Amino acid sequence: EAGVAQSPRYKIIEKRQSVAFWCNPISGHATLYWYQQILGQGPKLLIQFQNNGVVDDSQLPKDRFSAERLKGVDSTLKIQPAKLEDSAVYLCASSRPAGTASGNTIYFGEGSWLTVV
Amino acid sequence: TQLLEQSPQFLSIQEGENLTVYCNSSSVFSSLQWYRQEPGEGPVLLVTVVTGGEVKKLKRLTFQFGDARKDSSLHITAAQPGDTGLYLCAGALWNTDKLIFGTGTRLQVFP
Repeated sequence: EAGVAQSPRYKIIEKRQSVAFWCNPISGHATLYWYQQILGQGPKLLIQFQNNGVVDDSQLPKDRFSAERLKGVDSTLKIQPAKLEDSAVYLCASSRPAGTASGNTIYFGEGSWLTVV
Repeated sequence: TQLLEQSPQFLSIQEGENLTVYCNSSSVFSSLQWYRQEPGEGPVLLVTVVTGGEVKKLKRLTFQFGDARKDSSLHITAAQPGDTGLYLCAGALWNTDKLIFGTGTRLQVFP
């Protein structure tokens, strides 16, 4: 079974520029997550999708961050304009819905490493 | 806001030593997961504990879920350099797909 795919793996941009990250979840996983992980800390949930609907985006800085999952499969996370404090790893993850077999088990991609200079 | 505190935050030990990492919260979780993350990689699931008081063993790693489902511990016996990494606990909120991550414990095992 293929894992969660993310691209690009690494990105360096200047502050005030924009960047987009792409994620393809594990086939059949209806739930997709974007997490932000500052170096040395635990991941922080930015947004959670169930199919193509948003379940939770309470910690997404909506003035500069946006995410979509138009067809309920792939997802894109965009940052515009970027700030220095956005330097982090952006992790995409997917899971089956809670209550199903292996529900609540989240599988992560390798992450997209962003450096804002 | 639910919060999962992990302790210690950093741990540096010699090969062969034992160690315990703690994960504590005031919230009750339906399940709790432990992940290990190596530099440049995403977190990788080690174990999921579901029942209060449950103990699971994975080779030299022993995981325990507290009776009240608010805390968990990870014990490593005879640590090896390959155990080096960031250990993360994550609690699942009841009847949701939401996972709250702990603050992380960075382990360094020296040969």
